[in-house]
Amino acid sequence: EIVLTQSPASLSVSPGEGATLSCGASQGISTNLAWYQKKGGQAPRLLIYGAFTRATGIPARFSGSGSETEFTLTISSLQSEDSAVYYCQQYHNWPWTFGQGTKVQIK
Amino acid sequence: QVQLQESGPGLVKPSDTLSLTCTVSGYSISSNNWWAWIRQSPGKGLEWIGYIYYDESVNYDGSTYYNPSLKGRVTMSVDTSKNQFSLRLSSVTAVDTAVYYCAGFDSRGYYGIYWGQGTLVTVSS
Repeated sequence: EIVLTQSPASLSVSPGEGATLSCGASQGISTNLAWYQKKGGQAPRLLIYGAFTRATGIPARFSGSGSETEFTLTISSLQSEDSAVYYCQQYHNWPWTFGQGTKVQIK
Repeated sequence: QVQLQESGPGLVKPSDTLSLTCTVSGYSISSNNWWAWIRQSPGKGLEWIGYIYYDESVNYDGSTYYNPSLKGRVTMSVDTSKNQFSLRLSSVTAVDTAVYYCAGFDSRGYYGIYWGQGTLVTVSS
């Protein structure tokens, strides 16, 4: 089973600043990685798939990069509504697995 | 607007079977192939339970792909007449206490596009 390790576990950012979230895979997964945003009691929302392709309706301030074992989700110019937990998920080897999440708080 | 809603008992006794249903609205369950269940235990990350592949065009009632870690306790099914799909998890213990999410995945079953808000199931006597 592929293990995804996300860092940092949490971060606090001022509005307008940027944030960089990392996701490391225990083995190479090409670009078979997705990112989700989850707020409180809401359903997860797909942000990125294929490591860098934004899902429908996702603002351009969200961008993904990386391949094989190192991936990054960058949120530029953070807004208050970006406060959430962000998860990565690999779909390279079954069973698909998720990272433990990074909690982003807006100061 | 596509919406998924989980339903089922919020409390299940140890050794019993957990049963949940996901009702899909705004989208025909026959139009997509991959329907999934995922859970999140308290204070932990997301865990894949499995998904079911359904293809009405070939009258195919579904292949299932379950997480091996659940050791044969999982059963999933689709009911197109009700636009629902279901999860059954047998022989539950306290470690099965979690928020359970249903989701609709992309055409290749890689990532979740449509998600329910989740339902908390507690395993306790």
